[in-house]
Amino acid sequence: QSALTQPPSASGSPGQSVTISCTGTSSDVGAYNFVSWYQQHPGKAPKLMIYEVSKRPSGVPDRFSGSKSGNTASLTVSGLQTEDEADYYCTSFAGSNNWLLFGGGTKLTVL
Amino acid sequence: QVQLQESGPGLVKPSETLSLTCTVSGGSISGYYWSWIRQLPGKGPEWIAYIYSSGSTNYNPSLKSRVTISVDTSNNQFSLRLRSVTAADTAVYSCARIITGAVAFDLWGQGTVVTVSS
Repeated sequence: QSALTQPPSASGSPGQSVTISCTGTSSDVGAYNFVSWYQQHPGKAPKLMIYEVSKRPSGVPDRFSGSKSGNTASLTVSGLQTEDEADYYCTSFAGSNNWLLFGGGTKLTVL
Repeated sequence: QVQLQESGPGLVKPSETLSLTCTVSGGSISGYYWSWIRQLPGKGPEWIAYIYSSGSTNYNPSLKSRVTISVDTSNNQFSLRLRSVTAADTAVYSCARIITGAVAFDLWGQGTVVTVSS
């Protein structure tokens, strides 16, 4: 059981939008604006897509966006492309002691 | 560009110590925080520990009693030692760099599979 809850799977057709949720508690997601999202293709290292809830690192397409409401953070992928098919993981700061929690991951399928 | 590469034994016997090294190439280890993360089979990733280039550390409370993270700035490396391993420690272990001032990893190694078995 991962500390943050993500749906195991999500899917969408090319061009559509899909949103992946990441649910924590008032001690992590709800308490801090330090939620990040990572994309991982099979056999590859994870890639940072979103940090601090909604910031995009240089080079990440603006089709990827992040938001947060209460104890739930979300990653939205707009204009789905076949290369977006991957596993997505969320993380959240959880205080100086626990520091960082991960979600269990969501497998995004582009139909 | 900066790259990270994990190295170490792929097989460790139960009760022994798992030792891994992450080599940073293409840039300096100084001035950054560095971390180890693992992914157990069929589960989400788990943060293990982080270290600043000066040596200050922070550990996951669930692993703190068995883990040591260290840094060797002269060789641009940082290392992980996990003592008294069991089969439950079988996982893919990855090293990563922490974005300055943020709680996020901007660079990752490819990861290395470590199996605990006799």
